[in-house]
Amino acid sequence: DIVMTQAPLSVSVTPGESASISCRSSKSLLHSNGITYVYWYLQKPGKSPQLLIYRMSNLASGVPDRFSGSGSETDFTLKISRVEAEDVGIYYCGQLLENPPTFGAGTKLELK
Amino acid sequence: EVKLVEYGGGLVQPGASLRLSCEASGFTFSDFYMEWIRQAPGKGLEWIAASRNKANDYSTVYSASVKDRFTISRDTYKSILYLQMNTLKPEDTAIYYCARGYYGYTHWGQGVMVTVSS
Repeated sequence: DIVMTQAPLSVSVTPGESASISCRSSKSLLHSNGITYVYWYLQKPGKSPQLLIYRMSNLASGVPDRFSGSGSETDFTLKISRVEAEDVGIYYCGQLLENPPTFGAGTKLELK
Repeated sequence: EVKLVEYGGGLVQPGASLRLSCEASGFTFSDFYMEWIRQAPGKGLEWIAASRNKANDYSTVYSASVKDRFTISRDTYKSILYLQMNTLKPEDTAIYYCARGYYGYTHWGQGVMVTVSS
């Protein structure tokens, strides 16, 4: 199975500042079709996860453009510009290149 | 509006069976992969099963942790996704989410709690 490793496990951010979360995969997530099959999700407290970024850098519907995704074949970054109170929660990266789909352990974002 | 509503959870003893349901609405059910993902208390996300779409003959895939114990299926007329869970173990205790797969898991249900304990 592809292992997804996130860092840090938690991050504390001042509202209005930016935050970055890293994710590393145990093998390349770049398919021969040129698509990188990494995804980012946010689980707000007490809620179901929601999709933020698909295929490494594409913003999901309804997601503010303060969120952005980037990376290479095995190293990925979620950046949140101008963090707001509603961004608090646990962020997960995940891969859909191979079965079984796997997720990182999550990064908890809190406000200072 | 896409909606996914799970039900059927509860408290069961080890070795028991339980069937979860996920009612889907707001989209053409047969066009999409439908999947079950669970989350043990205080833990991360674990994918457990997928039912591919009609174009892929509704074929199914399972994680190693539930293969041969759980069965995913769908009623395409009622737009309901099922998860039949047999021989339940304490480690199956989790919130179970159904999710629609398309360019990632774009829609999730509210989740249903399953507790396996004597």
